[in-house]
Amino acid sequence: DAKTTQPPSMDCAEGRAANLPCNHSTISGNEYVYWYRQIHSQGPQYIIHGLKNNETNEMASLIITEDRKSSTLILPHATLRDTAVYYCIVRVADQTGANNLFFGTGTRLTIIP
Amino acid sequence: NAGVTQTPKFQVLKTGQSMTLQCAQDMNHNSMYWYRQDPGMGLRLIYYSASEGTTDKGEVPNGYNVSRLNKREFSLRLESAAPSQTSVYFCASSEDPGGWMAEAFFGQGTRLTVV
Repeated sequence: DAKTTQPPSMDCAEGRAANLPCNHSTISGNEYVYWYRQIHSQGPQYIIHGLKNNETNEMASLIITEDRKSSTLILPHATLRDTAVYYCIVRVADQTGANNLFFGTGTRLTIIP
Repeated sequence: NAGVTQTPKFQVLKTGQSMTLQCAQDMNHNSMYWYRQDPGMGLRLIYYSASEGTTDKGEVPNGYNVSRLNKREFSLRLESAAPSQTSVYFCASSEDPGGWMAEAFFGQGTRLTVV
């Protein structure tokens, strides 16, 4: 299973772009990178995922390096509601193809007013 | 649109008691999961069900049993609760029929305390 490494905490000023890094140096060629976040101990919320190309949706952008060993989640204009723990996950599938998401401890992002 | 619904939201058990945590999803998803989250920790997978009629162990299955009652419902049972099972339990579901593209939807959690 590919493992991920994230900084335990980060701060970002409100209105600025928040850039959250993730290292996944042992990722295999067919594994996707997923990002989830968890606000106030609620259930985790899906943000975005990608394989090789950069991805963008209404919530965020995902930049994956060409060698796929690291990625960055970008929240373009952070608001106070973006304060949460952000998890970078590499998707693992067993023989049945089940979508098992293995969570680490994530990055606690605090948006500063 | 309810998504994933867990019951109960809170529960206090005495050591040795049993209980079942209920989970239901209304998105017609094939796969369902149970996670636990201890204070300050990430989520750990207890059991999952790739499709109706199948269940498999995750990372921390000891002390738990599961039942995939039908496509909508996936329950988690503690036969003899222990203080080490004090945690927040999350149920999740995903469309994933074995493909790579589906994201998971999580319930709001069940906060369980075993005294």
